[in-house]
Amino acid sequence: GAGVSQSPSNKVTEKGKDVELRCDPISGHTALYWYRQSLGQGLEFLIYFQGNSAPDKSGLPSDRFSAERTGGSVSTLTIQRTQQEDSAVYLCASSFTGSNTGELFFGEGSRLTVL
Amino acid sequence: SQQGEEDPQALSIQEGENATMNCSYKTSINNLQWYRQNSGRGLVHLILIRSNEREKHSGRLRVTLDTSKKSSSLLITASRAADTASYFCATDTLYGGYNKLIFGAGTRLAVHP
Repeated sequence: GAGVSQSPSNKVTEKGKDVELRCDPISGHTALYWYRQSLGQGLEFLIYFQGNSAPDKSGLPSDRFSAERTGGSVSTLTIQRTQQEDSAVYLCASSFTGSNTGELFFGEGSRLTVL
Repeated sequence: SQQGEEDPQALSIQEGENATMNCSYKTSINNLQWYRQNSGRGLVHLILIRSNEREKHSGRLRVTLDTSKKSSSLLITASRAADTASYFCATDTLYGGYNKLIFGAGTRLAVHP
């Protein structure tokens, strides 16, 4: 596609359930990022992929959070046993890679509400 | 933790006025970027300034970078109601051997007709 695509756009779940959020980056972009944004707040870095590997997982809040990327393309962020504090907008971004970070192209986000 | 801190947190101006937002950061950077976010939407890249640059222009946007003070400013001239959005600075910084983009908390700009 022309841009970064995220699904679902909205997800309402019950506390304790698992959720999967999907990101389809721009074709050819090797770098992929997940960020989390709570209401009215800035972006919290979660994880960064270079190709299929995740050299930086330092932002994952707990071991309930995991992410994978297959084929150097689609990425899935999984949250197990969701808690109310997981409620936020999860943003995915991709970019061409290089020694420095260039412009990030963001998706519209997946809004997660944990009841 | 956040690298960039925007100032002010919120700014309210009239159409036609200029809007200035500031960003301070803590560690050395490769580049600094500004992004815009309309309510409930994804972020859109506005401008990138490299660490060896001091000023950059793009249309009504002017960005300055002072690496000695670890600060940057974004100036929007002749503002329009459509400029109403949140604006974030992001620093490309080396963390643990990898470059990553760290965002500040943002400035919420309201431009009134």
